[in-house]
Amino acid sequence: SQQGEEDPQALSIQEGENATMNCSYKTSINNLQWYRQNSGRGLVHLILIRSNEREKHSGRLRVTLDTSKKSSSLLITASRAADTASYFCATGTGAFGTGTSLTVIP
Amino acid sequence: EAGVAQSPRYKIIEKRQSVAFWCNPISGHATLYWYQQILGQGPKLLIQFQNNGVVDDSQLPKDRFSAERLKGVDSTLKIQPAKLEDSAVYLCASSLIGDAYEQYFGPGTRLTVT
Repeated sequence: SQQGEEDPQALSIQEGENATMNCSYKTSINNLQWYRQNSGRGLVHLILIRSNEREKHSGRLRVTLDTSKKSSSLLITASRAADTASYFCATGTGAFGTGTSLTVIP
Repeated sequence: EAGVAQSPRYKIIEKRQSVAFWCNPISGHATLYWYQQILGQGPKLLIQFQNNGVVDDSQLPKDRFSAERLKGVDSTLKIQPAKLEDSAVYLCASSLIGDAYEQYFGPGTRLTVT
C-alpha cells in the first residue's frame, strides 16, 4: 500500500506561532487524511480532504492538497501547548507515514 | 457513542509464546483494521476487514500472525509464536465503510516480548 512521507520529522515552535508540516505521496489517491497522536488520547482523526478538493479548514487547522505535486500540507495556527503531538498523513487505506513530531513550547 | 475497545492494554510474554488481542469496533462500522506501531514509526496496516471478509492482509506475517472477525463485529489478532521484533503497540481501528471515511482508533495494546 502507498505511504505518505511527512516533513519535517521534528518541529519545535513557541506557543502562539503557526506550525506547518508537509506530506508527499507517490501514486494517485481518493483522499488524504491527517491524524494526531499523543500519549493521552491515542490516534485521533483531524481532517479528511478528497482528491477533488484543494483546501479544507477545521477550527485552527488548514489542509491543502496539490494532486499535481502529490503533496499536502497541514497548517496549525496559533499553536497551543496541547498541540504537542505526532502528526501523520494517511494516503490510502492503512498507508500512514512516519509522522512529524511537533513540540509547542509554552 | 462508545469508542473502539481493545484488550488487554498491556501484555508481556516471552519469545515463542502465544498471545491474542481483542477488539470491539464502533457499532455499525463495517470496516475494521489492525495496525502494528513500533516505537518512533507510523502505524503499519496488518489486516483490513470489511464485515467479516478480508480486504487486505498483504502485510500480515501469515506464518505467525492470524486474525478473524466473526459475525462482522468483534475481532481477534493472534501471534504464535512471538518474536522479539513483535514488541509494539497493536492498534485496532474501525470506520463506516472503506477508506472514504475517517478511522476511529482504540487505545491499543502494548506488547513486550522478552
